[in-house]
Amino acid sequence: DAGITQSPRHKVTETGTPVTLRCHQTENHRYMYWYRQDPGHGLRLIHYSYGVKDTDKGEVSDGYSVSRSKTEDFLLTLESATSSQTSVYFCAISEWAGSSYNEQFFGPGTRLTVL
Amino acid sequence: SQQGEEDPQALSIQEGENATMNCSYKTSINNLQWYRQNSGRGLVHLILIRSNEREKHSGRLRVTLDTSKKSSSLLITASRAADTASYFCATDAGDYKLSFGAGTTVTVRA
Repeated sequence: DAGITQSPRHKVTETGTPVTLRCHQTENHRYMYWYRQDPGHGLRLIHYSYGVKDTDKGEVSDGYSVSRSKTEDFLLTLESATSSQTSVYFCAISEWAGSSYNEQFFGPGTRLTVL
Repeated sequence: SQQGEEDPQALSIQEGENATMNCSYKTSINNLQWYRQNSGRGLVHLILIRSNEREKHSGRLRVTLDTSKKSSSLLITASRAADTASYFCATDAGDYKLSFGAGTTVTVRA
């Protein structure tokens, strides 16, 4: 899992509580991504970052916010967790190499359960 | 919405047989990538094929791309138990993001 860690790896929380997941990289890659993975849906992009303090929404961003104050850290916050946000969350990184290359490297995932 | 769709959703084969899975997508792409995910783990990049390429090989993997049909296939030859995993295609439209399909689950029986 090439220099990417996620914390926590598992979390159980209650509906309505805020939750923050952390992604940390040691590769100095510019681009960072948060995905959620649910059965039958593959990976869906939540938010991504293309530099420090530069972030944008993905296809399922409602109820989530992100922050990136340092190159190595990308935080995902569930402002008020709901049961529909029970999922496995993956962080990924990439380094844009020209106009047609974007191989992503994935972290080990965080399994979040919202009761 | 997701760009890529894999077919079949699940595949069960005997060790030593070949496994083929397909991916269809909807819009123009710069490249298409295939990833593998072992149970409980993150995705691992397998192979990338650019839009101007038609076929690419990497070890026991063979990928084809038909941009006129907006489809790709991944062939794993001489499968092994260690190939048991989920396989995802991902399309890169040149906008810093990848769009993943729902995946094909491959089970290799000993």
